[in-house]
Amino acid sequence: KQEVTQIPAALSVPEGENLVLNCSFTDSAIYNLQWFRQDPGKGLTSLLLIQSSQREQTSGRLNASLDKSSGRSTLYIAASQPGDSATYLCAVNGGTSYGKLTFGQGTILTVHP
Amino acid sequence: ETGVTQSPTHLIKTRGQQVTLRCSSQSGHNTVSWYQQALGQGPQFIFQYYREEENGRGNFPPRFSGLQFPNYSSELNVNALELDDSALYLCASSVTGTSYNEQFFGPGTRLTVL
Repeated sequence: KQEVTQIPAALSVPEGENLVLNCSFTDSAIYNLQWFRQDPGKGLTSLLLIQSSQREQTSGRLNASLDKSSGRSTLYIAASQPGDSATYLCAVNGGTSYGKLTFGQGTILTVHP
Repeated sequence: ETGVTQSPTHLIKTRGQQVTLRCSSQSGHNTVSWYQQALGQGPQFIFQYYREEENGRGNFPPRFSGLQFPNYSSELNVNALELDDSALYLCASSVTGTSYNEQFFGPGTRLTVL
């Protein structure tokens, strides 16, 4: 059974800092991994998707890496802004269930001015 | 291009009632998945529909059921509501048959069971 863990559970940083969110998963037989952002009470916004054959993906100030063999992914946010404050969720697609996402508990990020 | 939409936005029911939630998938997507997100938790996979048939199910009882229509929209039905069913219900659409399989989520339906 796939299990996904995110560390830390919460993070508070001053504006302008670079930060790293961590995600680990137990079954390395994945199709892809997605990082999502969720604002309070809202749906999920897809930030980045990394295919199992890829090592990293970049979008603006965001960079996600994937080390499938060790079951780890990181989301790097450069020059954080108060508008980045949200919950960040990591989700793994695959193992025995193609198309089914297994989510971590999320990291609650607060960026203060 | 229209994104994933869900209705209603909020819903309040009492224990024992039945509820139907609706989802319209993104244009060109043939697969709909439903997730339940309890407060402070990550979403949990309920089931997925592809070609109008259930294509995988998570650890949810049979009183959670669904439908997918020819236009790829979908319904989630929950019978005999329990207090623990209170959650945000999320619908995601994707394209089955590609290795990319990125999932796009709707805004969710907040269900409160009293």
